[in-house]
Amino acid sequence: ETGVTQTPRHLVMGMTNKKSLKCEQHLGHNAMYWYKQSAKKPLELMFVYNFKEQTENNSVPSRFSPECPNSSHLFLHLHTLQPEDSALYLCASSQVPGGLPRGYTFGSGTRLTVV
Amino acid sequence: TQLLEQSPQFLSIQEGENLTVYCNSSSVFSSLQWYRQEPGEGPVLLVTVVTGGEVKKLKRLTFQFGDARKDSSLHITAAQPGDTGLYLCAGAVGNAGNMLTFGGGTRLMVKP
Repeated sequence: ETGVTQTPRHLVMGMTNKKSLKCEQHLGHNAMYWYKQSAKKPLELMFVYNFKEQTENNSVPSRFSPECPNSSHLFLHLHTLQPEDSALYLCASSQVPGGLPRGYTFGSGTRLTVV
Repeated sequence: TQLLEQSPQFLSIQEGENLTVYCNSSSVFSSLQWYRQEPGEGPVLLVTVVTGGEVKKLKRLTFQFGDARKDSSLHITAAQPGDTGLYLCAGAVGNAGNMLTFGGGTRLMVKP
């Protein structure tokens, strides 16, 4: 399998549930990202991991908790979410040699609905 | 404040027409990228432009980076229904240059 794979594709959860989103990349990239895509809003960067180390937390509420056990896997743990957290959550990876980005490879996203 | 402004937000045209979408900013970017996103999928990279004034062509798509590296345009010649999608520009920010900030997108519909 190649590219960036996200699971599940769709998720409906209650506000008291705990769930996790999974992202796996088979491209040998060393940086991984979580983005949130809401209707009528630009893609919002949530977290950045370079070489498994979190280098950016873009003021994301603590009900979102990322985990990067290795350079190929990225998780987003969710708990006590709010309805306004409903969105498409996109994972991406890239190669960082330092300097110019070579573009992200995105997964297909997880469509999250909080009820 | 949105760092990258895209216009128009929506565009509906007939097959065969030409169109241009714009991506503008008051900030200078080391590089700028264009992505296309189809419903139910993640964005797919189309091109990266790096040098001010650079023009890149990808079949019927022509991308231009402004001389001051603050703006870019995407021109599509003889649009086809397969060009339908959300077009996103993204500028590189951050010390490592690997963080992208995205514009709000231009949603294009090409009718047969």
